[in-house]
Amino acid sequence: AQSVAQPEDQVNVAEGNPLTVKCTYSVSGNPYLFWYVQYPNRGLQFLLKYITGDNLVKGSYGFEAEFNKSQTSFHLKKPSALVSDSALYFCAGTNTDKLIFGTGTRLQVFP
Amino acid sequence: DAGVIQSPRHEVTEMGQEVTLRCKPISGHNSLFWYRQTMMRGLELLIYFNNNVPIDDSGMPEDRFSAKMPNASFSTLKIQPSEPRDSAVYFCASSFSGTGAAQPQHFGDGTRLSIL
Repeated sequence: AQSVAQPEDQVNVAEGNPLTVKCTYSVSGNPYLFWYVQYPNRGLQFLLKYITGDNLVKGSYGFEAEFNKSQTSFHLKKPSALVSDSALYFCAGTNTDKLIFGTGTRLQVFP
Repeated sequence: DAGVIQSPRHEVTEMGQEVTLRCKPISGHNSLFWYRQTMMRGLELLIYFNNNVPIDDSGMPEDRFSAKMPNASFSTLKIQPSEPRDSAVYFCASSFSGTGAAQPQHFGDGTRLSIL
C-alpha cells in the first residue's frame, strides 16, 4: 500500500534558525510530491510540488524541499524561520490524482 | 480569482437531522475532492469526482453519507441521519486533472460541523 509518513508530530525552532520538516514516502513508479500548510480555521494551502527534474524545489514564502530518491524522502526546509511560519504542515504524494497525505507536523517558531 | 467556496462555514445541529454541505470549485477545474479532518483520524479522503463522475468513494464512512456533483460548478455532501461522531471539519478541494502530472489541489476553508 502506498503511504506518506511524517515522523515528527511537532517541530520547535527559534526564529531566524533554519527549519526542516521531515517526510518520507512509499509511492510506486514516479511519485508526485507536495507540501501544504494549514493555518488555524483555514483550508490547506499549496506550498510546492515535485514532479520531475531538479531535486531541489522552491516554493512559496521562502520554503524549499529536497527530493531524495534513494532515501525516499521529501523534506521541507527554510533557511531562516519566522514566527509567522508557525502552522500545521502536510506532506502528500501520489502517482495518480488521489493524494495520500501524511499525518501532519506542527511547526512552532519561537521569538 | 475566487478560490474554492464552501458553505456553510459552521453548522450546529442535533443528531438525526439531515446535513448538507456545499462546494463551488474553482472555475475550469475538473476534479473535486471531499475530505474530513478530525484530531483522531487526521485528514481523510471521502470521495472524489472527475468531470462530475464519482471515481472513488471508498472513503465514504457508511450509507448515511452521500455526495453529488450535478454540474461542474457545484457539489454537495449530505449526511442523513447525522450522528455526533460525524462532528469534524469537512473540506472540499478542486484541481485540474488532465494528461500528465498531478496538479495541486486547492482547498476551501471548510465547514465545521458539530452534531449534538
